Amino acid sequence: GAVVSQHPSRVICKSGTSVKIECRSLDFQATTMFWYRQFPKKSLMLMATSNEGSKATYEQGVEKDKFLINHASLTLSTLTVTSAHPEDSSFYICSASLTRGEYGYTFGSGTRLTVV
Amino acid sequence: GENVEQHPSTLSVQEGDSAVIKCTYSDSASNYFPWYKQELGKGPQLIIDIRSNVGEKKDQRIAVTLNKTAKHFSLHITETQPEDSAVYFCAASSTDTGNQFYFGTGTSLTVIP
Repeated sequence: GAVVSQHPSRVICKSGTSVKIECRSLDFQATTMFWYRQFPKKSLMLMATSNEGSKATYEQGVEKDKFLINHASLTLSTLTVTSAHPEDSSFYICSASLTRGEYGYTFGSGTRLTVV
Repeated sequence: GENVEQHPSTLSVQEGDSAVIKCTYSDSASNYFPWYKQELGKGPQLIIDIRSNVGEKKDQRIAVTLNKTAKHFSLHITETQPEDSAVYFCAASSTDTGNQFYFGTGTSLTVIP
């Protein structure tokens, strides 16, 4: 089945630094990747949708300059949290879709970001 | 846009009993309804899904039912086991609108040995 690898699984960074999270589709080409944020005991909140070779579409209220998304290839999307602050601490999860409409999404294993 | 509601938020059952989680959706255009299981510190994993042209789907101890008219769908877990303990999310999406998922708020299921 489809596998999505997300790295790192955990990261601790200092306030003001930037952190990059990678999301890779291992055995399929993902035309679309999604980035979610999840607060403790809460549901997944869609942050942005990225399509290979084009700019990401951000959900309302998500700062595009703070959460930089790059989908440079059909197997890799990255989320960079720039100038991180403690309130950015959260669980970030990516998911990938092979094509529109026909397949469900496969989720990565998530990244626990802690900003100190 | 789509609004997905999920109940209950927490559910405790004795091992061997059945568990039922219910979701409702608002957008009649939604036509794909997956269920995900999320264990602590991990990403969600698809456990079962159903498309709008089907009323029921079963996979061993897990089943999902869909009532398009009433716009609700349910997850049924029979003969629950302690390893079924996790948070379960329902979702709804439409293949006509980019397949964006709208998630329910989650149900924390605890199976008591």
